Amino acid sequence: DVKVTQSSRYLVKRTGEKVFLECVQDMDHENMFWYRQDPGLGLRLIYFSYDVKMKEKGDIPEGYSVSREKKERFSLILESASTNQTSMYLCASSFRRINEKLFFGSGTQLSVL
Amino acid sequence: RKEVEQDPGPFNVPEGATVAFNCTYSNSASQSFFWYRQDCRKEPKLLMSVYSSGNEDGRFTAQLNRASQYISLLIRDSKLSDSATYLCVVRSSNDYKLSFGAGTTVTVRA
Repeated sequence: DVKVTQSSRYLVKRTGEKVFLECVQDMDHENMFWYRQDPGLGLRLIYFSYDVKMKEKGDIPEGYSVSREKKERFSLILESASTNQTSMYLCASSFRRINEKLFFGSGTQLSVL
Repeated sequence: RKEVEQDPGPFNVPEGATVAFNCTYSNSASQSFFWYRQDCRKEPKLLMSVYSSGNEDGRFTAQLNRASQYISLLIRDSKLSDSATYLCVVRSSNDYKLSFGAGTTVTVRA
């Protein structure tokens, strides 16, 4: 079974800190995604990547950046964390370019104080 | 207007009941439709794809109405384990991104 692993389940950071969220998948998937999930808003796409060193902006990229140096790893970076970035962050991967079946990690609940 | 809208519920139903709910989408060019299930404090998982002719998977039936731009999910003979949030997901033909609804919460009681 596909496994998508996120480095932390819960994270508490202070405003202005640089935050790294790591995601690793073990099924050689081409596509990887970062979403945030907030009550009443659903999942919103932050960034995605179809290949190593490739990245594309999603719907809400402001305040975030990403890195994909290896196929299995996709990192989300908050350059200077703010309180409105408090959220559940979900990483996902999929095999084909048309990303129909997403496999999600268990999520990181980030609180920015 | 949101791309995908769902009634948040909650739908509270007794075991054995049938529950159904819809999801509307705004982009008429949307091509692919899915239902994902998310248990409390867990990640979303694909429940089923929705095909133009409608499809069943055990107790779950999904329908697509392109004319009115909505999809539906019906759960027959509800089980306690069906309690979850059901996410409607839509893909436009213009790009590869998926749009998620905010979810419909179903609670099945004994």
